[in-house]
Amino acid sequence: DAGVIQSPRHEVTEMGQEVTLRCKPISGHDYLFWYRQTMMRGLELLIYFNNNVPIDDSGMPEDRFSAKMPNASFSTLKIQPSEPRDSAVYFCASSLRQRAFFGQGTRLTVV
Amino acid sequence: DQQVKQNSPSLSVQEGRISILNCDYTNSMFDYFLWYKKYPAEGPTFLISISSIKDKNEDGRFTVFLNKSAKHLSLHIVPSQPGDSAVYFCAASRRHGDDKIIFGKGTRLHILP
Repeated sequence: DAGVIQSPRHEVTEMGQEVTLRCKPISGHDYLFWYRQTMMRGLELLIYFNNNVPIDDSGMPEDRFSAKMPNASFSTLKIQPSEPRDSAVYFCASSLRQRAFFGQGTRLTVV
Repeated sequence: DQQVKQNSPSLSVQEGRISILNCDYTNSMFDYFLWYKKYPAEGPTFLISISSIKDKNEDGRFTVFLNKSAKHLSLHIVPSQPGDSAVYFCAASRRHGDDKIIFGKGTRLHILP
């Protein structure tokens, strides 16, 4: 398996634009997590899914953030409108038995 | 409120010596703990884990110790090597609960030559 695949690796966008981050989890994994890494908060859990169903989105910072998992092999994290404070590295991870495997992350810069 | 705390943002250790990274947690419902290692521009990778029914787990140069009464765990690396220089994240979850994995802020380990 190729591991968790995230795209794009880097995204630079202007404030106010919509940003969509994509994730393909490892086949067979039943959990998918979205994390955000910042200096201040470390690895912050935003939302996670079990069998494509959102279980806990309490970490989503604002209504500007939304996430979907339309099927077992694809998830998106959308920010609309984006703001400079959203600049961070966003990680997607998937797991089967509580050992999460991470993608390489998307570095988002909002200018 | 941080449920998993790594109070040392960075640590420098001489090559060949022991590195000890510490982690505290507040939620007594956590029953499974993990350590991840992260290099720049890469995602975190799993290093070692421990269940709450144990107090020690060893894998080569890496040992994790769990003190449930103190809600504290530590990662020992012996001997430390240059390739160990990375950011280490402590994480916790409820294996028989909601299964979400909560991470600390990380500790940057520098191995000095």
